[in-house]
Amino acid sequence: SAVISQKPSRDICQRGTSLTIQCQVDSQVTMMFWYRQQPGQSLTLIATANQGSEATYESGFVIDKFPISRPNLTFSTLTVSNLSPEDSSIYLCSVGGIQGNSPLHFGNGTRLTVT
Amino acid sequence: SQQGEEDPQALSIQEGENATMNCSYKTSINNLQWYRQNSGRGLVHLILIRSNEREKHSGRLRVTLDTSKKSSSLLITASRAADTASYFCATSWGDDKIIFGKGTRLHILP
Repeated sequence: SAVISQKPSRDICQRGTSLTIQCQVDSQVTMMFWYRQQPGQSLTLIATANQGSEATYESGFVIDKFPISRPNLTFSTLTVSNLSPEDSSIYLCSVGGIQGNSPLHFGNGTRLTVT
Repeated sequence: SQQGEEDPQALSIQEGENATMNCSYKTSINNLQWYRQNSGRGLVHLILIRSNEREKHSGRLRVTLDTSKKSSSLLITASRAADTASYFCATSWGDDKIIFGKGTRLHILP
């Protein structure tokens, strides 16, 4: 299974600033998924990052707030912009789940606290 | 929403007992998966059951799927302290998105 390295593991940021989260996979993958997990809640899909095309965002998430890069088949970044305390969450990248018929593999997540 | 709903939301049992968690969903699915999350870390895939399967085993885990009732259950037998975690069901249908339920927090008491 894919090994996913996510950085940083945690950060404390001031409101109004931005945080960029990096996700590195040890093998080439077609799609990478970014999830948000608010405190005590389940995972919500933010967007699907496809190499060579713009990310596909889920309802309620917009590119201006969550710009995503996908420069190659092993790497992606998620930026959370103009931070507010409501953005305090765990952000997780994942790969796999092709056509929903295989498991998702997750990085260890980035715990973001906005003060 | 396709999001699964697990119940109970929280469950505390004595070590050695069996733990059962349930998941219900709303529309037809390709498959259903169960994941475990330890204390705010990344999720770990436990088991995948396809829509044409009714039961699946993996070690101390037993998963059932009833597509007529749109429900699944996860049974952990002979629970251990290390099983303390949150457990999520996740469903996929039609495309590549996998949508997670709200989760069950399981606490194994010594």
